Parts: sequence; structure tokens; C-alpha cells
Amino acid sequence: QVQLQQSGAELVKPGTSVKLSCKASGYTFTSNHMNWIKQTTGQGLEWIGIINPGSGGTSYNVKFKGKATLTVDKSSSTAFMQLSSLTPEDSAVYYCARRGGIRGTFAYWGQGTLVTVSS
Amino acid sequence: DTVLTQSPALAVSPGERVSISCRASEGVNSYMHWYQQKPGQQPKLLIYKASNLASGVPARFSGSGSGTDFTLTIDPVEADDTATYFCQQSWNDPYTFGAGTKLELK
Repeated sequence: QVQLQQSGAELVKPGTSVKLSCKASGYTFTSNHMNWIKQTTGQGLEWIGIINPGSGGTSYNVKFKGKATLTVDKSSSTAFMQLSSLTPEDSAVYYCARRGGIRGTFAYWGQGTLVTVSS
Repeated sequence: DTVLTQSPALAVSPGERVSISCRASEGVNSYMHWYQQKPGQQPKLLIYKASNLASGVPARFSGSGSGTDFTLTIDPVEADDTATYFCQQSWNDPYTFGAGTKLELK
């Protein structure tokens, strides 16, 4: 069965960067696009961007360009998201979510990674 | 960005029928999807492309609509359906979500 296992919670200082991981199993990693989604109490759910693990091609929500960088490691079936120049507004739960059969659907979700930005 | 507007909360009794609405600020064709999220859990896909039931989702859930107005219906509601329901569109860039409707059972 499809599983997405995300890395553990992070407590990071403002101005630094953090790299989150999402290890996929139960399917052919390079055959399905991976999305990243931010969830906060105030802003709700926000789509950050998508990566094609086969080609490495990416597309970002313009709001997150320069903030998030999506990459993959095909050898370990793992997707990564690096967040840079962190501020308290970046504190959130971040999910990876694999695309379903229809463009833009999020059929499978990781358990989420809580990022807290605090000095 | 396409803004999706949902009512914030609803309260219903078990066994009743409930409809949750989502209105888009611009047309999204039929590319509206619905998710259920319970506290402390990740969202779960219920309905894709307005009216298609995702795999493993009970037939009590159904979706309808096109263009700008969409509805998720649960009939009959069960106690386990207590959750927040989000709509999400993938017709316009960027993909966007509604703020969610919290469903409580009386």
C-alpha cells in the first residue's frame, strides 16, 4: 500500500533553513508527482508546489517561490522540501501528498511535519 | 488566486442528511475535490472532480456541482463523521483550498 513517511518535528531559529523529507513506498516513486502543502490555524491549507520525481521538474505557488525548494532522491524514493530564511510565519505543519489519478488531487498524504520557528 | 468560500460550521444529528457548500470566486470547471480531516490527522480525499467517490470512501458521501458552486452531501450522517471538511480546486493556478467546514454532531 502507498505510504508516505515524513521526518520528525523541527524547532528552528529565525533566519535559518530546514530540510524536510518524505519517504515513499508501495508504488513506483518516479511515476507520480509529489506535492507539498502547508497547514496553519490562521491561513488554513496552502499548496506550496509540486515536483515530478522522474524528471525533477517543479512548479511552485508564486507565494512560496524563494521560500521553498523541492528536490528528490530517486535512489531512496524520498522527496525533500527545503525552507529558507525562516520566520515565525513559517511555523506550520507541512505535508507531502502524492497526486491521484486526476490532476491536482491529493490522494495520499504523509503524517505531516511540525515546524516551529522560534528564537 | 481562486477563493473558495465555505460556511464555518454545521451541527447535525446522527441519521440526518447534511450538505456542505463551497463557492468558488471564479469557474473551476469540475475540478473541485473534497477532503475530510479529523483532529491530529492528515486530510483524506473523499470526492474528486466534483462527484467521484475516492477509493474506500463510504457511499454515504456524495458530491455535486460544476462551475462555481459545489456541494458535499453526507446521508446519513454517522458519529464518526465529526471532522472538518475542505474543498479544493485544481483548475486554476495555484491550487487553493477552502477554509473548511467543521461538522459537529448533536
